[in-house]
This record gives sequence, C-alpha cells and structure tokens, in this order.
Amino acid sequence: EAGVAQSPRYKIIEKRQSVAFWCNPISGHATLYWYQQILGQGPKLLIQFQNNGVVDDSQLPKDRFSAERLKGVDSTLKIQPAKLEDSAVYLCASSRKTSGLASQETQYFGPGTRLLVL
Amino acid sequence: AQKVTQAQTEISVVEKEDVTLDCVYETRDTTYYLFWYKQPPSGELVFLIRRNSFDEQNEISGRYSWNFQKSTSSFNFTITASQVVDSAVYFCALSEGDGGFQKLVFGTGTRLLVSP
Repeated sequence: EAGVAQSPRYKIIEKRQSVAFWCNPISGHATLYWYQQILGQGPKLLIQFQNNGVVDDSQLPKDRFSAERLKGVDSTLKIQPAKLEDSAVYLCASSRKTSGLASQETQYFGPGTRLLVL
Repeated sequence: AQKVTQAQTEISVVEKEDVTLDCVYETRDTTYYLFWYKQPPSGELVFLIRRNSFDEQNEISGRYSWNFQKSTSSFNFTITASQVVDSAVYFCALSEGDGGFQKLVFGTGTRLLVSP
C-alpha cells in the first residue's frame, strides 16, 4: 500500500511570494491533515478535512494560508504572501475514518515539504 | 486543554545502552489515546504505537517497550540495546475526540543520538 505522497520536497522562495504544496493521502483514507513543524518543535495542526469538507481550521492563519480538497482525495495548501516565519516543514497526514471514536484514529504522515522563506 | 510534555530535549547514548524517553500528558477527558512517532533525518513521522486510556498494560515490541501509568499521567518509551539506526527525534502525542473529529497534540520531541 502506497504511503502519503507530498510534493515538492523542498522549496525556497522570497518573502511576499506565493507557494503551494500538494498532498495525496493513502487510498481510502477519508481524513486529511496539514501540519506545520517549525524547527525544534512538534507538528502543529493547521487544517483537517473529512472527505472534501473542513472540520477544523481553527489554527490556520486565514489571512495568508488557504487549503482545499475539492474531490475528497488529494489536497493543496497555499501560502500567499509568504513571511519569514513561515519557514518550516509542512507535513500532510491521513487517517481512515472509523465507526468508533475519532480519537482512536492513527494518522500516517508523508515525507513533508521543507519551506525556506528568504 | 490537552498538553504533552517531553522534558528531555536531547539524549546521547552509546550503542547497546538502554534508554528511556519520558512523556507526561494533561487531559480532562477520561477517554483518550496516546501515540509515539519516530522522525528520522528524512523527515517523515513514522507511527510506532497507539494506546488507549483504558489499557494500562505495558507493551513490548522487539527492542521497544512502553510503560503507561495513568496515576502519573505518563507514557514512557524504552529502547533496549540501542542501535545507531535508532537515532531520530521521537514525539509523544495525545489524541482526544472533539465534536466527532480527532485533536492530536504533539510534545516538543526528544532527539536521541546513538553513537557507535
């Protein structure tokens, strides 16, 4: 079974430019997550989708970040315009929706996209 | 609010030593799940274990073992006879269900360096 795919793996941009990241989750996984991981910290959730609907975007800086999952499969995260403090690794994860408690779902992560904003 | 504390920022050991990574959590929920993930230099978080709040049995998987104690809100991870390939950052995470979807909160991680 193929894992979570992300591209690009690395991106360097100037501040105020825009950038987009792509994620393809594990086949059959209804829930998709985007995390931001700043150097030396644990991942922080930005947004969570169930199928093509947003269930939690409370920590997404909506003035500059946007995300979509139009067909309920792959997803795109965009930053526009980028700031220096957006330099981080952006991780995508997916989980299979179970009939039980949502808290028991295991998230599987992709390799991440390392973003450097100059 | 849920919180995970990994007080050990970095641990250095020599190959074949045993090492324990500490994890302390805070939650108001009675039903929750705890996870450990490994992040090697390649960057991908690799799932290691999931444990629910009602199961306090210790678990062993090869050289890895986990000790869950609700009385002290801890979920510690021990690697026996460490190897160089164990060098990575290890994250403990706490999951709660909130409104039908998962909230997963990570600790700040412990970097483990195993030297030959």
